[in-house]
Amino acid sequence: AQTVTQSQPEMSVQEAETVTLSCTYDTSESDYYLFWYKQPPSRQMILVIRQEAYKQQNATENRFSVNFQKAAKSFSLKISDSQLGDAAMYFCAYRPGGGTYKYIFGTGTRLKVLA
Amino acid sequence: GAVVSQHPSWVICKSGTSVKIECRSLDFQATTMFWYRQFPKQSLMLMATSNEGSKATYEQGVEKDKFLINHASLTLSTLTVTSAHPEDSSFYICSASRANQPQHFGDGTRLSIL
Repeated sequence: AQTVTQSQPEMSVQEAETVTLSCTYDTSESDYYLFWYKQPPSRQMILVIRQEAYKQQNATENRFSVNFQKAAKSFSLKISDSQLGDAAMYFCAYRPGGGTYKYIFGTGTRLKVLA
Repeated sequence: GAVVSQHPSWVICKSGTSVKIECRSLDFQATTMFWYRQFPKQSLMLMATSNEGSKATYEQGVEKDKFLINHASLTLSTLTVTSAHPEDSSFYICSASRANQPQHFGDGTRLSIL
């Protein structure tokens, strides 16, 4: 069975600095998708970034980028120039390439941004 | 990005009543919708997967007679918590998806049963 592990329950970063959130997963599939979602105190789930497993190039979205290491089954999120609005819970999610499109979520990492 | 509307955002009701939560995809046709439950400071727990025009698929341990899911159209799914009790109090979130697109989430419903 697939699993997603986020080993950092909480992280802190100084405003304008860079922080990396880790995520590892376990799967025997070769075709899958990985996502990072952000959940601020409002509790809305916001898609931050996605990565298709067949793509070797790491995805980037403005200040957010991933380090996707397929062989190591690692999918970390780097946030550059951290802003106060980045403070939130961050969830890593795995989805197989076919089937029901169900996600498997990690347990989340709470990111605090210090002014 | 895609917009998913969830209503109501907060509901308080007496024990024994039934509560219906609506989830609408406003700008795309969602072939699949998902219902999650989230306890404080925890991750999302998938309750069921709903495909338009067919019966929902419930995750193990979720009572299908307690949590009724209807997906009557490509833009609307509903979750009805029947005969709700205080232990059903929680935060419920829906999401909508199609093909290989990411899931887009509603804003969630905070359910409080007195």
